[in-house]
Amino acid sequence: AQSVTQLGSHVSVSEGALVLLRCNYSSSVPPYLFWYVQYPNQGLQLLLKYTSAATLVKGINGFEAEFKKSETSFHLTKPSAHMSDAAEYFCAVTRYSTHQTGANNLFFGTGTRLTVIP
Amino acid sequence: DGGITQSPKYLFRKEGQNVTLSCEQNLNHDAMYWYRQDPGQGLRLIYYSQIVNDFQKGDIAEGYSVSREKKESFPLTVTSAQKNPTAFYLCASSISWLALTFTDTQYFGPGTRLTVL
Repeated sequence: AQSVTQLGSHVSVSEGALVLLRCNYSSSVPPYLFWYVQYPNQGLQLLLKYTSAATLVKGINGFEAEFKKSETSFHLTKPSAHMSDAAEYFCAVTRYSTHQTGANNLFFGTGTRLTVIP
Repeated sequence: DGGITQSPKYLFRKEGQNVTLSCEQNLNHDAMYWYRQDPGQGLRLIYYSQIVNDFQKGDIAEGYSVSREKKESFPLTVTSAQKNPTAFYLCASSISWLALTFTDTQYFGPGTRLTVL
């Protein structure tokens, strides 16, 4: 079965510092992986997604993530944190093989709340 | 402007009452989803619908019901059988349920916060 684990429910960084949010996945099939961001009392917004085209994926707002099969990881990074990056971030994986119906169903991690300290 | 709307944004319910949350999309998406979000638990799938007039239970369907009579609408009813309904509810949609055309992802509405008094 597919699943994701997000290490650290809370991460704090100083403004201008590197942001690193960790996500490890478990999948018996080649996964598609996603990072979403959620601002308070809002829905989720897609940051980036990995669909096997390239292992380094660039997203919006300066974020990127690298798919590492050997480490079963898909960590999210940003070189320099901005105050506006403060939000909750969710990693997600496709539930089923892409050759099965329902492949668009996602399994979400428990989220990491990012705090940016001025 | 294409998107997903959820109404109302805040909803209060007395214990023992059923309540229906609205979700509408004008993206012409086939698939729609309902999630429940609780602090520290991420998003959990309640129901999903891959096409009109069809829907499937997700991980936590007990105490909830849905319908999909129109492509653009996927209302969720929280029944009195749901033991702990206070939560943030998110609706999402995606272009297709077909695996071979999987090139997109789920797009989310702004959510409805339900509080049981």
